[in-house]
Amino acid sequence: GQNIDQPTEMTATEGAIVQINCTYQTSGFNGLFWYQQHAGEAPTFLSYNVLDGLEEKGRFSSFLSRSKGYSYLLLKELQMKDSASYLCAVEGYQKVTFGIGTKLQVIP
Amino acid sequence: DAMVIQNPRYQVTQFGKPVTLSCSQTLNHNVMYWYQQKSSQAPKLLFHYYDKDFNNEADTPDNFQSRRPNTSFCFLDIRSPGLGDAAMYLCATSRDISGDTQYFGPGTRLTVL
Repeated sequence: GQNIDQPTEMTATEGAIVQINCTYQTSGFNGLFWYQQHAGEAPTFLSYNVLDGLEEKGRFSSFLSRSKGYSYLLLKELQMKDSASYLCAVEGYQKVTFGIGTKLQVIP
Repeated sequence: DAMVIQNPRYQVTQFGKPVTLSCSQTLNHNVMYWYQQKSSQAPKLLFHYYDKDFNNEADTPDNFQSRRPNTSFCFLDIRSPGLGDAAMYLCATSRDISGDTQYFGPGTRLTVL
């Protein structure tokens, strides 16, 4: 099975940079997703990492280390609208398992 | 715009009264998923269809059933809702079962009285 661990809550200041970590133990690993979920809404796709390294997409970047079972999501130039939950999701054998999500609050 | 649509957005039912939630997609994706998400918890996969092939998660209660009459539509039937079934139900689609982004619908929030 899969076990995914990420911090429950984080707070950061508008304009700053924040890093949300995710560690996982899995019996099979194909890749790792990050999704954003605003309160009461559906998750929306942010990134998908298969290989080790950093993938940059605008203000958001995602990093993966397969050997360490570790990923992080980096958000730069934080905006108030970035206040949301960020879900780490691991793709194993034909199944994606979601973490509980990190609730990020951006403050002025 | 191509999208995943869920109806209704809010559903209220009574304890033990069967309820059906619907999902449709215009993406022509092969895979459709149903997730249950309770407050401050991770989305929990209930089952998925790859085309017409149904895949039930081992820990999904028998109270939950699903139908996929065609590529575009998928239904979640809760035969006898209990208070513990109150949750957000998310439908998602993906082109393939592996390595593909899942696109989520807006969800149906189910209340059980």
